[in-house]
Amino acid sequence: DIQMTQSPSSLSASVGDRVTITCRASQSVGIFLNWYQQKPGKAPKLLIYAASSLQNGVPSRFTASGSGTDFTLTIISLQPEDFATYYCQQTYSTPPVTFGQGTRLEIK
Amino acid sequence: QVQLQQSGPGLVKPSQTLSLTCAISGDSVSSNSAAWYWIRQSPSRGLEWLGRTYYRSKWYNDYAVSVKSRITINPDTSKNQLSLQLNSMTPEDTAVYYCARVETLGRGVAAFDFWGQGTMVTVSS
Repeated sequence: DIQMTQSPSSLSASVGDRVTITCRASQSVGIFLNWYQQKPGKAPKLLIYAASSLQNGVPSRFTASGSGTDFTLTIISLQPEDFATYYCQQTYSTPPVTFGQGTRLEIK
Repeated sequence: QVQLQQSGPGLVKPSQTLSLTCAISGDSVSSNSAAWYWIRQSPSRGLEWLGRTYYRSKWYNDYAVSVKSRITINPDTSKNQLSLQLNSMTPEDTAVYYCARVETLGRGVAAFDFWGQGTMVTVSS
């Protein structure tokens, strides 16, 4: 199974900051990498698919890049509603579908 | 707009069977492009896929190794829904359970684009 590792596990930031979250795959997944945002008590929400494509309705302050084994999600100018947990997920080799362990983004 | 509405109990006794349903609107469980998943989430296991069902001229199912001996996912075309049965429940199965749709989006990449609201299931006597 392909393992997904995110870093950091948590980080604190302020409104207006630029933050970057990293996801590494245990083997190449090409561009078969998605990013999700989850708020407490809610289901995950798709932000980015195919490593860098913005899902419909997602603000353009969310950007992502990468291919192969290394990927990043960047939020430019954090907004209050962006404080949440973020997950990466590979769909290169399924089943099984595998997710990263999550990065919790907290208000500083 | 696709909507997934989950129903089922929030409390299950050890050794009993969990039964959840996921009613689909805005799409068909028999879609030739979508796949329908059950996923659970717990602090100890994170997001863990349990299994999926999908239709490509016939029905296919895949199950996670960790639950393969005790899980069944069934599509119900008459009600446009899918169900999850997980037998021999233990406290380690305590989690939030989600149904979700996978669809192929741009660049040929599939993603979970719609999710149910989640069901918190506690296994306790």
